Amino acid sequence: ETGVTQSPTHLIKTRGQQVTLRCSSQSGHNTVSWYQQALGQGPQFIFQYYREEENGRGNFPPRFSGLQFPNYSSELNVNALELDDSALYLCASSSMDRNNSPLHFGNGTRLTVT
Amino acid sequence: DAKTTQPPSMDCAEGRAANLPCNHSTISGNEYVYWYRQIHSQGPQYIIHGLKNNETNEMASLIITEDRKSSTLILPHATLRDTAVYYCIVRVAPGGTSYGKLTFGQGTILTVHP
Repeated sequence: ETGVTQSPTHLIKTRGQQVTLRCSSQSGHNTVSWYQQALGQGPQFIFQYYREEENGRGNFPPRFSGLQFPNYSSELNVNALELDDSALYLCASSSMDRNNSPLHFGNGTRLTVT
Repeated sequence: DAKTTQPPSMDCAEGRAANLPCNHSTISGNEYVYWYRQIHSQGPQYIIHGLKNNETNEMASLIITEDRKSSTLILPHATLRDTAVYYCIVRVAPGGTSYGKLTFGQGTILTVHP
């Protein structure tokens, strides 16, 4: 069983730029969630995707957007990067079809905005 | 989701049982208790979850009090590799727009020493 994989592992961007982060779901999972984890804090929910549509969102502005593909992989896009966007971005997958299927996380992408 | 309270840090000797407490006094009848841990520079790792009965798997045991207002995660024989931040999370039975959302608090930093 392949776990959740994320790419790249590290990324440095400049303020104002745009970034795309990628996530491959665990085999058999059809739901993807994205989280932002600032240094020293717990992860914060950004949004989730199911059947290629966003169907749940946390308190993040519209410049945070995403995609889910037919193979259930996903992208997180962040436009107009700000210094405060520097964080670990985590992807988690689960199965909507299995009640109480826990979320399984990847090891994240460390984004630094300078 | 109900709020949880955990001690900020705990120590445990290698080979001994680690007992991590969590208070969730406002938990509702349809809310589950989940435990995750996060080892430095990795994504959160699912450990165990339960509703009202005690649960055990290959990683840990979860003891939930009869009134469900608190729980304890037990690592029966802690090793140095169990040093991590442990998160206790309460969430409703997954479904719809809340499915991929976990609300993380600050967690408990468990340090296992030789």
